[in-house]
Amino acid sequence: NAGVTQTPKFRVLKTGQSMTLLCAQDMNHEYMYWYRQDPGMGLRLIHYSVGEGTTAKGEVPDGYNVSRLKKQNFLLGLESAAPSQTSVYFCASSLNRERTGTDTQYFGPGTRLTVL
Amino acid sequence: GENVEQHPSTLSVQEGDSAVIKCTYSDSASNYFPWYKQELGKRPQLIIDIRSNVGEKKDQRIAVTLNKTAKHFSLHITETQPEDSAVYFCAASIRGSARQLTFGSGTQLTV
Repeated sequence: NAGVTQTPKFRVLKTGQSMTLLCAQDMNHEYMYWYRQDPGMGLRLIHYSVGEGTTAKGEVPDGYNVSRLKKQNFLLGLESAAPSQTSVYFCASSLNRERTGTDTQYFGPGTRLTVL
Repeated sequence: GENVEQHPSTLSVQEGDSAVIKCTYSDSASNYFPWYKQELGKRPQLIIDIRSNVGEKKDQRIAVTLNKTAKHFSLHITETQPEDSAVYFCAASIRGSARQLTFGSGTQLTV
């Protein structure tokens, strides 16, 4: 049981390049989330999903797109990277509380992205 | 949307002393309040959480208190140890929001 994994761990992009970050979980969780973490600002929600085929915007969605084609995977895309997107990106997942009574979000190890 | 403020931003205590971190939230519809610990270069990990129908929760040396009227909640760590050194984040989640978390800005605790 690997929990929540993220690929890649590190990446350097040039302004205008595109990339996709992959999050995978093997805990059969319904909910998945993408956060970004910047110094002194805590974690901010980018997008989230409540199930396969669904996505929704979080607090800071601009410049990002997401897809959840399979229940275990949640992809975060940057179509045209900007220096302001330099950050550490964390994926998280959780069970549906209505069904399980638990709210705990489990985080992946993070992806450190630098945009030059 | 929800807004969470966290204080202090840094906290230094002597080993064996207690540490208290405080957070306030803005939306009275918030009903779930987790605390996460993040060591340098690692992922955030849940250490304790509380729901709005409970005023206090304890787990060994860690406790969380919630005052719904004042919209604030606090993390208490007793008998601090060097391994407690980390960044601690509070968060709040609004009822019915698919558990979207709004985080505070973090507290760097040094023991």
